[in-house]
Amino acid sequence: DVKVTQSSRYLVKRTGEKVFLECVQDMDHENMFWYRQDPGLGLRLIYFSYDVKMKEKGDIPEGYSVSREKKERFSLILESASTNQTSMYLCASSSLGGGSYEQYFGPGTRLTVT
Amino acid sequence: AQTVTQSQPEMSVQEAETVTLSCTYDTSESDYYLFWYKQPPSRQMILVIRQEAYKQQNATENRFSVNFQKAAKSFSLKISDSQLGDAAMYFCAYRSSPWADSNYQLIWGAGTKLIIKP
Repeated sequence: DVKVTQSSRYLVKRTGEKVFLECVQDMDHENMFWYRQDPGLGLRLIYFSYDVKMKEKGDIPEGYSVSREKKERFSLILESASTNQTSMYLCASSSLGGGSYEQYFGPGTRLTVT
Repeated sequence: AQTVTQSQPEMSVQEAETVTLSCTYDTSESDYYLFWYKQPPSRQMILVIRQEAYKQQNATENRFSVNFQKAAKSFSLKISDSQLGDAAMYFCAYRSSPWADSNYQLIWGAGTKLIIKP
């Protein structure tokens, strides 16, 4: 089974702190994604990566950056956390081909910025 | 740009009965994929069912089936014999064909919370 893990289930940070959210997948997937989930808004894509060191902005990249130094690991960075970044963050991965295009999700990190 | 709309923020159904969740989408593409994902409380998002737009036959996975109406751009999910474990947020998602010059994004609806009454 595909396994996507995220470094923390719950995180509380202070305004202005630099925050790192880590995601690791064990299925050698090429694509990895970071989403933000807010009630009534569904999932909004922050960044995705289709290869090591490659990244593309999603719909809401402002205030975020990402890093993918290894294929299995995709990190989301909040350079200076703000209260409006309080949210659930979901990481996902998918294979480049194979006809499935299914995205496999991690358990999520609920981040609270105070 | 493609959009996905789930007009029902919340639905409830009696255990063992059938419920249908609605999803509409807007696209100018002719080839694409549609998905229903399930997110149980405090658990990971998982794929429920997938439909390729070029296939006329509606996808089915055990108690889950879809009613795919391409012309109407409608993609509803029917859950038969509802069980307590079906309680979750359900999200509809759209993906462009891999042959299109597009990225790897899924376009998501806002979700429908399904409540199962015992």
